[in-house]
Amino acid sequence: SQQGEEDPQALSIQEGENATMNCSYKTSINNLQWYRQNSGRGLVHLILIRSNEREKHSGRLRVTLDTSKKSSSLLITASRAADTASYFCATAGQGGSEKLVFGKGMKLTVNP
Amino acid sequence: NAGVTQTPKFQVLKTGQSMTLQCAQDMNHNSMYWYRQDPGMGLRLIYYSASEGTTDKGEVPNGYNVSRLNKREFSLRLESAAPSQTSVYFCASTGRSNQPQHFGDGTRLSIL
Repeated sequence: SQQGEEDPQALSIQEGENATMNCSYKTSINNLQWYRQNSGRGLVHLILIRSNEREKHSGRLRVTLDTSKKSSSLLITASRAADTASYFCATAGQGGSEKLVFGKGMKLTVNP
Repeated sequence: NAGVTQTPKFQVLKTGQSMTLQCAQDMNHNSMYWYRQDPGMGLRLIYYSASEGTTDKGEVPNGYNVSRLNKREFSLRLESAAPSQTSVYFCASTGRSNQPQHFGDGTRLSIL
């Protein structure tokens, strides 16, 4: 069963604007990860945030985690056409197996 | 550095045929995973191998078998393919806890 749910399911913005994607999950986690998938390709890891962390940055990416609300957000600042892709959140449960449970994904379109 | 390599990239089978999907990683990772991705469903875990010599079922294991041949290789076998197994299959690997998974480019499998 899907653990994470991304919101919105699709987002279309202009180049230079910021894009925010939200993820909600149901059970306790060890970490939460965000991935990007370009059309026809495999998933590429963006950011991993541990359950005891609240915010992480990587370049133009900012991820927040609120374990009390079981939610996370991914912010892409100053978006580019190359950011057009599907984005997935995935949660790793407690227990150490690192099995990931993925959300259904969100399609981001950045118009030049 | 190839990362995670999957073969073949595309395959068409007839119902009832058997097939093995191959996956190899060159990152000395302990854990390996097989996922399937269907439209609108995100990725779902089929089987995983936490370490060489061990395999465990994921969310959707029915109709599949796996073999962890050695530390590098993890294969997925369809014994009697069914149209419901038409999907894109991804292999992934990871080294330690709280580390991201690295994905291959996928195998696109159609069963007629």
